[in-house]
Amino acid sequence: EIVLTQSPGTLSLSPGERATLSCRASQSVSSAYLTWYQQKPGQAPRLLIYAASNRATGIPDRFSGSGSGTDFTLTISRLEPEDFAVYYCQLYGRSPPLTFTFGGGTKVEIK
Amino acid sequence: EVQLVESGGGLVGPGGSLRLSCTTSGFTFSNYEVNWVRQAPGKGLELVSYISISGGTIYYGDSVKGRFTVSRDNTRNSLYLQMNSLRAEDTAVYYCASPAFCSGGSCTLGSAYWGRGTLVTVSS
Repeated sequence: EIVLTQSPGTLSLSPGERATLSCRASQSVSSAYLTWYQQKPGQAPRLLIYAASNRATGIPDRFSGSGSGTDFTLTISRLEPEDFAVYYCQLYGRSPPLTFTFGGGTKVEIK
Repeated sequence: EVQLVESGGGLVGPGGSLRLSCTTSGFTFSNYEVNWVRQAPGKGLELVSYISISGGTIYYGDSVKGRFTVSRDNTRNSLYLQMNSLRAEDTAVYYCASPAFCSGGSCTLGSAYWGRGTLVTVSS
């Protein structure tokens, strides 16, 4: 079973700073199925990035995704107050063998 | 407006059963793969089940395999989760999510719709 490990667990930054979040897979995965979600307290997750580097509809261009193989990155170029939240990567492997794994999450908090 | 509305959550004793429903509108449900995703209090996200657009392919997370059954009714634009033999560790908010749009034999992840979730509490 593929495991996604996100780091760091918590990122303490100030508004305006750059955030770099890591998602590492235990084995090579297709970037086509790597997604990133944002979740704020009391809310459902919101899709940010799909296929590793494509922004979902309505997502500001300060959010970007990159990576391939086992290492993927979500970057927020300049943190806005509304960006402080928890971020999850997910492998949505709908091709056999089916694999649907979430990473443990990275909390981006205000420093 | 896209809507996914979960219902059927509540308090149930260990060993009990619940049936969750997810009623959708505002998008072509029959073209979307759908998931149940849960989140225990203060914890991360866990995919509970996946069902393909036709219902022909189903996946369950290891922690619920053999106890939960997912189904969909494309005529009613609805998704269901029958949960049996419930345990304390099944306590969570259960979300209905439709992450993948399928057409012409291929699926893409560019749009993802989520409900607000329904709370399931397993406790005596």
